[in-house]
Amino acid sequence: DQQVKQNSPSLSVQEGRISILNCDYTNSMFDYFLWYKKYPAEGPTFLISISSIKDKNEDGRFTVFLNKSAKHLSLHIVPSQPGDSAVYFCAATGGGADGLTFGKGTHLIIQP
Amino acid sequence: DTAVSQTPKYLVTQMGNDKSIKCEQNLGHDTMYWYKQDSKKFLKIMFSYNNKELIINETVPNRFSPKSPDKAHLNLHINSLELGDSAVYFCASSSRGGDEKLFFGSGTQLSVL
Repeated sequence: DQQVKQNSPSLSVQEGRISILNCDYTNSMFDYFLWYKKYPAEGPTFLISISSIKDKNEDGRFTVFLNKSAKHLSLHIVPSQPGDSAVYFCAATGGGADGLTFGKGTHLIIQP
Repeated sequence: DTAVSQTPKYLVTQMGNDKSIKCEQNLGHDTMYWYKQDSKKFLKIMFSYNNKELIINETVPNRFSPKSPDKAHLNLHINSLELGDSAVYFCASSSRGGDEKLFFGSGTQLSVL
């Protein structure tokens, strides 16, 4: 039972354009959401997060949007750069010590 | 200076063997985790320790035994390895359990032959 879903295994975007990665969740108890970026042979690294009390959080080229009623969040990267090519994991938590629940990831490929 | 380091990076072993993966964090965090990324690429939590005490133990075979000698270390010992144990294992830490971001190690790719 996937509580965090990333339905696009891969996404190809041209350099300089906007990349939009999507994530859906089913657990209403989730109240904090994170995006992680992962390069091959490395561990995931934290990118950006958002609390359920907000609907948008921005950090440089990265913006995360949260639509609680739809249980959907998205990560926007603009402009996309070659170094953004990586696997992006969406994660969620309901607090406590339960750790994070991850999606399967989306492989973003930035084409020159 | 690596924040979360785990060794070895690669581990190839025969079925039935016992092996350990070590993890250390120098971030001063109270909570450490082990995650498993299987062939389907899901990252799933296995264990969580807070100040050396077990907090989470997901449905993991008891052949897997975490050991935390102090809050900076969380080692994973696996007995009687099986083919299905082949995966990438990630150690992580956070300043507290819950909604704090996790810092991950670079992973240990375990291959059981």
